[in-house]
Amino acid sequence: DAGVTQSPTHLIKTRGQQVTLRCSPKSGHDTVSWYQQALGQGPQFIFQYYEEEERQRGNFPDRFSGHQFPNYSSELNVNALLLGDSALYLCASSLRDIFTTTDTQYFGPGTRLTVL
Amino acid sequence: AQSVAQPEDQVNVAEGNPLTVKCTYSVSGNPYLFWYVQYPNRGLQFLLKYITGDNLVKGSYGFEAEFNKSQTSFHLKKPSALVSDSALYFCAVRDLRTGANNLFFGTGTRLTVIP
Repeated sequence: DAGVTQSPTHLIKTRGQQVTLRCSPKSGHDTVSWYQQALGQGPQFIFQYYEEEERQRGNFPDRFSGHQFPNYSSELNVNALLLGDSALYLCASSLRDIFTTTDTQYFGPGTRLTVL
Repeated sequence: AQSVAQPEDQVNVAEGNPLTVKCTYSVSGNPYLFWYVQYPNRGLQFLLKYITGDNLVKGSYGFEAEFNKSQTSFHLKKPSALVSDSALYFCAVRDLRTGANNLFFGTGTRLTVIP
């Protein structure tokens, strides 16, 4: 049973560029969340996708956008990269429990983005 | 507002000794609490969660956590530490009252088990 996968593993970009990160959820999961983990910090929630729509968003600017595909995989796009966007980007998947909302999020290995 | 505090950046424990990693939380409604572990250059691995019921929750790799509502704490414990337990541990919370699905994480505690 494949877990959450993310690509690429590492990425180096320069300021002002755009980047796309990809995530495939764990088998059977339908919800994908993205988190940013800066060095020495805990992950911070960016947004969550369910049924191909952004359902919830954290305190991140519009430069951060995403997409979910019919097969539940997801992309995170960041435009106009800043040095401060350098971080580990984590994708988490879950199976939405619409009654109790007690689903558990399982994380992928992350994509390390370095902005120079 | 929801938040999690992990008061210790670093915890050192001798192999074979019991370990505790502390976590306190703040939510408006009912907390849904998690512990995750992160090994170097890896994502987060789910250890355990608390929703309701018994205050002592058992999880993966021999870890357990004790929920204390009056102290708003959810400390992670293990009776006998292994060197392989050395990693970064994160406590996280969701507020079930809001219906929001995102997790709020603490800043992490680095556990070092000394052989």
